[in-house]
Amino acid sequence: EAEVAQSPRYKITEKSQAVAFWCDPISGHATLYWYRQILGQGPELLVQFQDESVVDDSQLPKDRFSAERLKGVDSTLKIQPAELGDSAMYLCASSSQGIAVGETQYFGPGTRLLVL
Amino acid sequence: AQSVSQHNHHVILSEAASLELGCNYSYGGTVNLFWYVQYPGQHLQLLLKYFSGDPLVKGIKGFEAEFIKSKFSFNLRKPSVQWSDTAEYFCAVMTYNQGGKLIFGQGTELSVKP
Repeated sequence: EAEVAQSPRYKITEKSQAVAFWCDPISGHATLYWYRQILGQGPELLVQFQDESVVDDSQLPKDRFSAERLKGVDSTLKIQPAELGDSAMYLCASSSQGIAVGETQYFGPGTRLLVL
Repeated sequence: AQSVSQHNHHVILSEAASLELGCNYSYGGTVNLFWYVQYPGQHLQLLLKYFSGDPLVKGIKGFEAEFIKSKFSFNLRKPSVQWSDTAEYFCAVMTYNQGGKLIFGQGTELSVKP
């Protein structure tokens, strides 16, 4: 069964440093999502791509976060500089269409970030 | 803004007990509804979903959920839990005016005692 791949699985960094996370969606999936999950809470959408275009980045803190999906396949999420409050699990998900009725999002294992 | 509320933060049951996890959402339009599960050390995976038709939907591992539109609810049920059901359960809503965005509840941690 195809899965969403993410790396690294764990990342420890010091505040003010830059970090980057990578996601490879299920092959053929046009829509890619980045979510942030703070401990004890549900995931919250940071950014949504349809192919290489950003569809929704309204919750992305653009002063420090950036995301790209240059060829419409894999994606990178970057934080620069990292702050203590960025400590969380960063989840990537993909779906084949995005907003089709009943569309399911498939999640990767996540990257757990700890900022010291 | 749309929101999803899960009634219980942590539920503890003995094996063979019945389970019901509550989920309410705030949105008056058309929605797709999901329950995701996260087993210890594993990634989020779909348990079941509702998008139209029969409001009683069946998912994997004996779980089912009932969509009650008048109550804005989508409660998850299982008649007899097993130790292997120990996991965190997330209810999520997808609304059509937000382009496929999933809005999650805060999650319910289920612990099943053997």
